[in-house]
Amino acid sequence: GAVVSQHPSRVICKSGTSVKIECRSLDFQATTMFWYRQFPKQSLMLMATSNEGSKATYEQGVEKDKFLINHASLTLSTLTVTSAHPEDSSFYICSASPIKFTDTQYFGPGTRLTVL
Amino acid sequence: SQQGEEDPQALSIQEGENATMNCSYKTSINNLQWYRQNSGRGLVHLILIRSNEREKHSGRLRVTLDTSKKSSSLLITASRAADTASYFCATDTPDSWGKLQFGAGTQVVVTP
Repeated sequence: GAVVSQHPSRVICKSGTSVKIECRSLDFQATTMFWYRQFPKQSLMLMATSNEGSKATYEQGVEKDKFLINHASLTLSTLTVTSAHPEDSSFYICSASPIKFTDTQYFGPGTRLTVL
Repeated sequence: SQQGEEDPQALSIQEGENATMNCSYKTSINNLQWYRQNSGRGLVHLILIRSNEREKHSGRLRVTLDTSKKSSSLLITASRAADTASYFCATDTPDSWGKLQFGAGTQVVVTP
């Protein structure tokens, strides 16, 4: 149990286009999902906290108009990278926290975004 | 900014040896967690230790926590080639529940 999926696993797009990444909790409900970004050979940096039915909370330095987050249901959060540029190329990872077990986060497999 | 700093940055050992890595953090925590990441993959949760715990075991893993020194260590005993991965500590602080702050990571290579 406690599986989180992400789709797509890899995406290549042209500069200026928008890309949507989905994060789903497959066998549990999650009121909170988190989005992280990881550059090559670096650690994970939290971008935003996504709560079902409310606006996402962004970390300092993360542009909310650039990275649109929607948490429409207890099992799905989406991250849209708008007008992507090469510097947005990164590994994006989501995690989901089950309602009952607040200490635990389950991570998705990540999405590799390459912007040409 | 990152909460945790890890050392060493890289560790190369042979199968059967033990691997030890350390994590230091800056502020009070609720808990500290260790994760493993294989190259280009997502994170696998290894173990969670709460702020009122000092040591925890899970299989070949042993984690210690010293809140007075704001540090933790992860020991992998009898390492295997499959343990080759990056290992990250992550802290959860009282004023930002759920927002994990990750350390820089230790890259471990286990050679047969």
